[in-house]
Amino acid sequence: DAGVIQSPRHEVTEMGQEVTLRCKPISGHDYLFWYRQTMMRGLELLIYFNNNVPIDDSGMPEDRFSAKMPNASFSTLKIQPSEPRDSAVYFCASSSGPLANEQYFGPGTRLTVT
Amino acid sequence: AQSVTQLDSQVPVFEEAPVELRCNYSSSVSVYLFWYVQYPNQGLQLLLKYLSGSTLVESINGFEAEFNKSQTSFHLRKPSVHISDTAEYFCAVSEVQGAQKLVFGQGTRLTINP
Repeated sequence: DAGVIQSPRHEVTEMGQEVTLRCKPISGHDYLFWYRQTMMRGLELLIYFNNNVPIDDSGMPEDRFSAKMPNASFSTLKIQPSEPRDSAVYFCASSSGPLANEQYFGPGTRLTVT
Repeated sequence: AQSVTQLDSQVPVFEEAPVELRCNYSSSVSVYLFWYVQYPNQGLQLLLKYLSGSTLVESINGFEAEFNKSQTSFHLRKPSVHISDTAEYFCAVSEVQGAQKLVFGQGTRLTINP
């Protein structure tokens, strides 16, 4: 298996632009997670899905952030409009089954907003 | 709600020396406990986990962690470290009942000096 795939790996954009991050989970995994990692705040869970349905989005920082999972093999995290404080590494992770099975992380997308 | 405190942000040690990375958690319900490792410019990988049973859990590369319920701790240890262990280590917890959410500590950067 190729593991969790994220694209792009690096994104540099100007403040005010729309940014879309993409994730393909491991086939057969029914949970998908989006995390953000910064020096100041560490690793934060933004949102997670189960069977393509958002379960908990309490970590989404504000309305500028939105996430979708149109099917079992694809998810997006969109920031519109982007701001410099959104600069971070964004990770997608997936897992199978209930009760804290291992989460498999993608390599991350490093976002820089200038 | 759960919280995780990793008491050391950085731990420098010499190669072949023992190391302990400390993790304490707070929760009003039963939890599962995890250690994840992040090598430079990579996503997180599961190192070991405690779900139930023996309170001492081991990884394939020589790390071990012991769940201490009375101390609410899950410290990570290795008797002899190698240069390749240089990484950031994250302790995490999740509720036993229901949620798939992982709550991470701030991380400990382990630096191995020759």
